[in-house]
Amino acid sequence: GQQLNQSPQSMFIQEGEDVSMNCTSSSIFNTWLWYKQDPGEGPVLLIALYKAGELTSNGRLTAQFGITRKDSFLNISASIPSDVGIYFCAGQVGGNTPLVFGKGTRLSVIA
Amino acid sequence: AAGVIQSPRHLIKEKRETATLKCYPIPRHDTVYWYQQGPGQDPQFLISFYEKMQSDKGSIPDRFSAQQFSDYHSELNMSSLELGDSALYFCASSDNKRRGRYNEQFFGPGTRLTVL
Repeated sequence: GQQLNQSPQSMFIQEGEDVSMNCTSSSIFNTWLWYKQDPGEGPVLLIALYKAGELTSNGRLTAQFGITRKDSFLNISASIPSDVGIYFCAGQVGGNTPLVFGKGTRLSVIA
Repeated sequence: AAGVIQSPRHLIKEKRETATLKCYPIPRHDTVYWYQQGPGQDPQFLISFYEKMQSDKGSIPDRFSAQQFSDYHSELNMSSLELGDSALYFCASSDNKRRGRYNEQFFGPGTRLTVL
């Protein structure tokens, strides 16, 4: 089946630093999404991308839909303690099709 | 804004028992998805429904069944529970009347199922 390769697996950063994580796939997706999950909670949608090459921001978060439609990255600028959590990329083929998730990036922020 | 509601939030069952998880989508959302997330894992798709009809089927065991009702809420029925069924079960909903863009999936808080 389809798989997403997400990296890095985990990150330890100082408060105020910028963070970058990415996802790659061997197959094409028509939508890329980025979610954040806190322990024991449901994934919360951060950014959705619908067009190859699209660059979208949501506050301190910026994500891009790769031009080949096989990759996406998420940047977090000026990290703060509440950014701690697991970030998942997800790809979607069509409108109401299931999401395929990456393995997640666990972010730890040191104050 | 209203979110996806799941009940119960926690459930403890014995092996070979049955369990029913409920999901109430965001109002006016017509599609419901069920995902299973094991400890330290990413969510895995189980099954989805669009306008009360099964839409896609993923890695859902034959012991599990689900349906979407006329009010769009959905139930996941799990029988002959096994230890390996212990996981977080998430429901997500989306509005697919808006074709193409803007049909993002929004997740509920999940049901933590523990099988003893």
